[in-house]
Amino acid sequence: AQKVTQAQTEISVVEKEDVTLDCVYETRDTTYYLFWYKQPPSGELVFLIRRNSFDEQNEISGRYSWNFQKSTSSFNFTITASQVVDSAVYFCALSEAQGNKLVFGAGTILRVKS
Amino acid sequence: DAGVIQSPRHEVTEMGQEVTLRCKPISGHNSLFWYRQTMMRGLELLIYFNNNVPIDDSGMPEDRFSAKMPNASFSTLKIQPSEPRDSAVYFCASSLGQGGVEKLFFGSGTQLSVL
Repeated sequence: AQKVTQAQTEISVVEKEDVTLDCVYETRDTTYYLFWYKQPPSGELVFLIRRNSFDEQNEISGRYSWNFQKSTSSFNFTITASQVVDSAVYFCALSEAQGNKLVFGAGTILRVKS
Repeated sequence: DAGVIQSPRHEVTEMGQEVTLRCKPISGHNSLFWYRQTMMRGLELLIYFNNNVPIDDSGMPEDRFSAKMPNASFSTLKIQPSEPRDSAVYFCASSLGQGGVEKLFFGSGTQLSVL
């Protein structure tokens, strides 16, 4: 069965620090999709990125970057020069092509202090 | 364009009462999901519809929970009778295409408190 582990329950950093959120996944499918979502204090979940299992290229979007490594079943998320507005809960999620069910990790609470 | 619309935003009810949560997906989306979020269990998928048909309801906790999607623009999640352990935030989400392999758009959620 598919599973997502976010071992970091909570991380606190000071503004402008870089921070990496870890995500490790388990699946038996060869075709699957990985996601990151952000849940700010307002509560609504916001999509950040989607990656399929055949695309291991790292991605950068502004201060955000993602490192996908199939060899270690990891899909880590780095925020460079963090800002207070980055404070949120971040969820990693996995969907297998066969089951079509998006399963979320437990989430990592990120607190960025000024 | 309007996003996924959920109502009510907050619901407080007494144990034993019937609760109905509502969701309007984004127009044109053909997949709809109901998730429940609690501190203890995180985000759990309750049920997933594709083209108004329930595809996977294995996450529905028990017979007290039921969900319907009578048309492409409306879905309900009903709890009858409600219990205190049902207290949670319930999210509705929709997407283009089939299943959870596409980007999900979430509503603002319904905060349910069962006293």
